[in-house]
Amino acid sequence: DIQLTQSPSFLSASVGDRVTITCRASQGISSYLVWYQQKPGKAPQLLISAASTLHSGVPSRFSGSGSGTEFTLTISSLQPEDFATYYCQQVNGYPFTFGPGTEVDIK
Amino acid sequence: QLQLQESGPGLVKPSETLSLTCTVSGGSLSSNTYSWGWVRQPPGKGLQWIGNIYYSGTIYYAPSLKSRLTISVDTPNNHVSLKLSSVTAADTAVYYCGRLGSSLQLTDWGQGTLVTVSS
Repeated sequence: DIQLTQSPSFLSASVGDRVTITCRASQGISSYLVWYQQKPGKAPQLLISAASTLHSGVPSRFSGSGSGTEFTLTISSLQPEDFATYYCQQVNGYPFTFGPGTEVDIK
Repeated sequence: QLQLQESGPGLVKPSETLSLTCTVSGGSLSSNTYSWGWVRQPPGKGLQWIGNIYYSGTIYYAPSLKSRLTISVDTPNNHVSLKLSSVTAADTAVYYCGRLGSSLQLTDWGQGTLVTVSS
């Protein structure tokens, strides 16, 4: 199975900060990487697919980059509604796997 | 836009079979153009991929669940089903269904349903 790690696991930031979350894969997955946002008690929501394609309706302050084994999710200017947990998922090979998540909290 | 809603018993006894339905509205499964995925989340923990069923009929399961798991599409009733047999407390989780997009991402999600395994 392809293992995903995320760093940091927890991040405390202020409104307006630039935030970067890293997702690393145990083997190369080309650009088959998805990012989701999940708020407490809610279903995850798609942010980015294919490593860098912003889902329709997602604010442009979110961006994704990377390929192979290292990927990043960047929020250019953190907004109050962005405080949530972020998960990466690889869809390169079965079984699909998720990263452990990064919780973004208010400083 | 598709709307998805999971339903099923909130409480299942150990060793019994968990049966969930994902009802789809805003689109017809008979069009055979949709693919679906299931994900679960134990309380306080991260997301776990369960399986995918493609419009072609191909199905992939998580290896840890494969021997107990069945995912199917009920076209006449416009829903996607999940059955997990011989459940234990470790299967306690919120179960989500979702529609797969062209890059295998879960584009649309149901709100999730909590299933507790307990006697």
